[in-house]
Amino acid sequence: QKEVEQNSGPLSVPEGAIASLNCTYSDRGSQSFFWYRQYSGKSPELIMSIYSNGDKEDGRFTAQLNKASQYVSLLIRDSQPSDSATYLCAVSNQFYFGTGTSLTVIP
Amino acid sequence: DADVTQTPRNRITKTGKRIMLECSQTKGHDRMYWYRQDPGLGLQLIYYSFDVKDINKGEISDGYSVSRQAQAKFSLSLESAIPNQTALYFCATSDPAYNEQFFGPGTRLTVL
Repeated sequence: QKEVEQNSGPLSVPEGAIASLNCTYSDRGSQSFFWYRQYSGKSPELIMSIYSNGDKEDGRFTAQLNKASQYVSLLIRDSQPSDSATYLCAVSNQFYFGTGTSLTVIP
Repeated sequence: DADVTQTPRNRITKTGKRIMLECSQTKGHDRMYWYRQDPGLGLQLIYYSFDVKDINKGEISDGYSVSRQAQAKFSLSLESAIPNQTALYFCATSDPAYNEQFFGPGTRLTVL
């Protein structure tokens, strides 16, 4: 079992829709959780961090954490074509990254 | 100027050659990391360092070595490069307070 698992996708949503990305992790002691966005050929860019159960909102992005169920999700509201990228989930205790979910926003 | 820089940005080398990838940062972070990324495999941790005197192996350290020359500099070496080390290599830094990682632009390495 991988430490961090994500659906690889690809996930396609129409422009203006909500994109939902999910991630599960295996280490119950994990404390810090992150979402990174990576455009093709570029380096990962931090977009959200979350440390406690519940929701955290930043603009069009909402991260949701449920430690009891060991999952973390990312919602992107009003999706734009510029959101098309691969989204990486990361769990900091062991610095593990998921393999990423490829998102395409269709104009 | 970029906070995390990597040199070279692209490198083509031959099997058996020794190669060094360099990383420098101006963020003032103590923690530095080296990852490799292969298509479909995500980011895999090679080595990490929490300060100048601290070096730790990651998931895939075999065939690699590192040197932490200063707080701001962390180098990755391939002692004898092999074709399956062809990948995109990223350096990253983090602040221990939040563990948010900041990545350099990457080095694309091809081993022929």
